[in-house]
Amino acid sequence: DAKTTQPPSMDCAEGRAANLPCNHSTISGNEYVYWYRQIHSQGPQYIIHGLKNNETNEMASLIITEDRKSSTLILPHATLRDTAVYYCIVRVANTGNQFYFGTGTSLTVIP
Amino acid sequence: GAVVSQHPSRVICKSGTSVKIECRSLDFQATTMFWYRQFPKKSLMLMATSNEGSKATYEQGVEKDKFLINHASLTLSTLTVTSAHPEDSSFYICSARDYNSYNEQFFGPGTRLTVL
Repeated sequence: DAKTTQPPSMDCAEGRAANLPCNHSTISGNEYVYWYRQIHSQGPQYIIHGLKNNETNEMASLIITEDRKSSTLILPHATLRDTAVYYCIVRVANTGNQFYFGTGTSLTVIP
Repeated sequence: GAVVSQHPSRVICKSGTSVKIECRSLDFQATTMFWYRQFPKKSLMLMATSNEGSKATYEQGVEKDKFLINHASLTLSTLTVTSAHPEDSSFYICSARDYNSYNEQFFGPGTRLTVL
C-alpha cells in the first residue's frame, strides 16, 4: 500500500470548515483513499473513502486531485466533538487487506 | 455500519500473568480479523492477521509465542498476551472484515492493558 503524508497537527475554529490535506504521490490506479478518525482512547471511526471522484456523506467531503496524488478531507462545520486524530490511508478496496496507519493529523477544534 | 466489540475494555494485571482479550463481530461473520497495538501518542501498528480456522499471520517483529491469537469461530477472535510485562502495556484494537459489505473493515473500541 502507498504511503501517505499528513501534517502532524492543525487547529480549526468551531463552526468553521476544517480542511485536512493528505499527500499520496505514489498511489496506484486501483488504490482508494480512505479517511478514518480516532477520538482519544477509542477505536478508529470510518469517515469516507473514494477512488477519483469527489465524495460526500453526512460526515464529510473528500476532494481528490485529478492526478490523485493528493486529497483533502473537509469537515464543513467543525464542532468540538470533531477533535481527533485523522488518518489518511490508501489501500486497494474490496480486498479486505489490512490497513497500515500513518501518523495522522491531530485536529483540535477551538471554541 | 457493522458493530465490533472488545472485552474487556480495560484490564490491569500483575507482571508475569497472561491476559486474554476478545474481539467479536456482533452482526456479521468475519473470517478475517486484525489486531493492532497503539502506544501513547503513537499511531496504530498492525500486529497480526487472524484467519478463522487457521494460524494467524504475524507482522515482522511481533512475537507469535507471546501474543497468541485464536480465531475459532466466525464471530470471535482472541488475543492472549502471555507472561505480560510492563512494556506490554498498550491500547489493543481489533478490526473485522465483512465480506458482505465490500470487504470493509470495522474497528472495535479497543482494550487498555496496564501491566504493573
